[in-house]
Amino acid sequence: GAVVSQHPSRVICKSGTSVKIECRSLDFQATTMFWYRQFPKQSLMLMATSNEGSKATYEQGVEKDKFLINHASLTLSTLTVTSAHPEDSSFYICSASRRGGGLKQETQYFGPGTRLLVL
Amino acid sequence: AQKVTQAQTEISVVEKEDVTLDCVYETRDTTYYLFWYKQPPSGELVFLIRRNSFDEQNEISGRYSWNFQKSTSSFNFTITASQVVDSAVYFCALRTIYNQGGKLIFGQGTELSVKP
Repeated sequence: GAVVSQHPSRVICKSGTSVKIECRSLDFQATTMFWYRQFPKQSLMLMATSNEGSKATYEQGVEKDKFLINHASLTLSTLTVTSAHPEDSSFYICSASRRGGGLKQETQYFGPGTRLLVL
Repeated sequence: AQKVTQAQTEISVVEKEDVTLDCVYETRDTTYYLFWYKQPPSGELVFLIRRNSFDEQNEISGRYSWNFQKSTSSFNFTITASQVVDSAVYFCALRTIYNQGGKLIFGQGTELSVKP
């Protein structure tokens, strides 16, 4: 299989605090991990792409200092929302693609998502 | 430019009806991959199928089938004898091998509601 986990699944925090979301590939090594944001009734919006051991590549319009991404190992990537504000409230989803090449590398497997509510 | 269009925003059917979800894509690349994902109310995206641009054979998996036609740049998804558990948002996505970092281009999604 290709299982991706995310933690926490749901978080409520006060405005101004920082929140860290973890994304793990449980049964495979991930070449690349992706972070998406999804608003209600909308499609997924790619925020950034991260490769193990290197800096993340952010999409246009995404604040690097606001959304810190660390990809410390082939199985773990973290997204930290710094100084969160109510407008950061959203559904954040990570995905991972396998290491090793071939067709399996072409498929992104998604985590269950994290619902963030900033009060 | 690369783009995926899912023109149907919402579809409502009664259980046991067949339903087809449309997906039209745009790309100038000759090598690319197409995907369908299912997003149930819980939120997790479930991978359904991947198709590469060199394989136009249609595929059937149980009640699910996919019709890939390069001539019309379409990759439609049909559910036969729909069930209430099929209720979800379905996303079609495109990835070309020349995409920096392997980014997926998602359609806007089609919300399918299957009523008992």
